[in-house]
Amino acid sequence: EVQLVESGGGLVKPGGSLRLSCAASGFTFSSYSMNWVRQAPGKGLEWVSSISSSSSYIYYADSVKGRFTISRDNAKNSLYLQMNSLRAEDTAVYYCARAPAGSWGDVWGQGTTVTVSS
Amino acid sequence: NFMLTQPHSVSESPGKTVTISCTRSSGSIASNYVQWYQQRPGSAPTTVIYEDNQRPSGVPDRFSGSIDSSSNSASLTISGLKTEDEADYYCQSYDSSRWVFGGGTKLTVL
Repeated sequence: EVQLVESGGGLVKPGGSLRLSCAASGFTFSSYSMNWVRQAPGKGLEWVSSISSSSSYIYYADSVKGRFTISRDNAKNSLYLQMNSLRAEDTAVYYCARAPAGSWGDVWGQGTTVTVSS
Repeated sequence: NFMLTQPHSVSESPGKTVTISCTRSSGSIASNYVQWYQQRPGSAPTTVIYEDNQRPSGVPDRFSGSIDSSSNSASLTISGLKTEDEADYYCQSYDSSRWVFGGGTKLTVL
């Protein structure tokens, strides 16, 4: 079964850091681009970042550029999101998504919740 | 950069047909594929339409997608509505390596 499982969310103070992980199984992880998408409470979906299959191409939303870093370890079938200098507006459920053609997500994880509050 | 605009909400009765629109603010709707995601409360999004009008395996043929260059918009049509179709629906396209989402439409089946 194709599956993505996020972890690493939690409560963090403004200015703090958090590292999210996404464990992939049931498919050849190294063949796919991957993305992070977030959803603030009661709000819509917001794309955060993408990484190509070999990590050659990396992109960020303007709202997180310079603060977040996406990475992957194909040997461990894992995707990561290092989040630094967190702000209240980063509070959201963070989803990882597989991107078969780079431009859309066909498989999504269940999400992990990040709350930034003092 | 462009934006995708969706109606905030739509409602229809079981068994009927509903269409949700997604209008692109600039550039041609046909320039980049449009996808549609369904999100039920408390759940992750799932893909119901990809590449304008393709259905993933397991998605019933009651779901269909199209684009209209004259209105520069994409549409998701759900026929034979069921109560289980009640959810939020998001359109999504692609621009300069970034995913662009519409604001979402809440579908109520009553």
